[in-house]
Amino acid sequence: NAGVTQTPKFQVLKTGQSMTLQCAQDMNHNSMYWYRQDPGMGLRLIYYSASEGTTDKGEVPNGYNVSRLNKREFSLRLESAAPSQTSVYFCASSDSTSSGDTQYFGPGTRLTVL
Amino acid sequence: DAKTTQPPSMDCAEGRAANLPCNHSTISGNEYVYWYRQIHSQGPQYIIHGLKNNETNEMASLIITEDRKSSTLILPHATLRDTAVYYCIVRSRNAGNNRKLIWGLGTSLAVNP
Repeated sequence: NAGVTQTPKFQVLKTGQSMTLQCAQDMNHNSMYWYRQDPGMGLRLIYYSASEGTTDKGEVPNGYNVSRLNKREFSLRLESAAPSQTSVYFCASSDSTSSGDTQYFGPGTRLTVL
Repeated sequence: DAKTTQPPSMDCAEGRAANLPCNHSTISGNEYVYWYRQIHSQGPQYIIHGLKNNETNEMASLIITEDRKSSTLILPHATLRDTAVYYCIVRSRNAGNNRKLIWGLGTSLAVNP
């Protein structure tokens, strides 16, 4: 049981390049999320998927697109990377129960845009 | 979801109890209190959550005041590996499609030898 996995762990891009961050979970959770964390700040939600086949914008969606490929996988795409997107990106998953909605996080992808 | 207020930093001696406070004075009746922590450069880790009763698990205890306006996370015997940023978050029990957790800056806990 690996929990939430993310690839790659590190990435350096040039301005204007594109890339896709991959996320997978093996906990059979319905909901998945993408966050970014800038130095010295809390996490901010980019996009989330409440269930397979649905996606919704979070707090900071501009410059990103997502795909909920199936129940396990949720990818984040940067079409034209900008230096302002330099950040650490975390994927999370959760499943609502009668006692709450605990989120479980992956190890993160450290992205630098030059 | 209600906002929370936490002290920016705290120190604790190794082996002693660490008591991390959180104020959530605008919490509503259907909101849970969640605690997560983030060890340097890692993904946030779930610790514990509660609605109105005190809760305990293998990691920590959560004490919620009777009026639910504040809570305290207790690490009973802090170790150096507990050095991390601790986040207190309140979240509606009936979130529906609103999945946004509001992450503040948390409390940076330093456990000293």
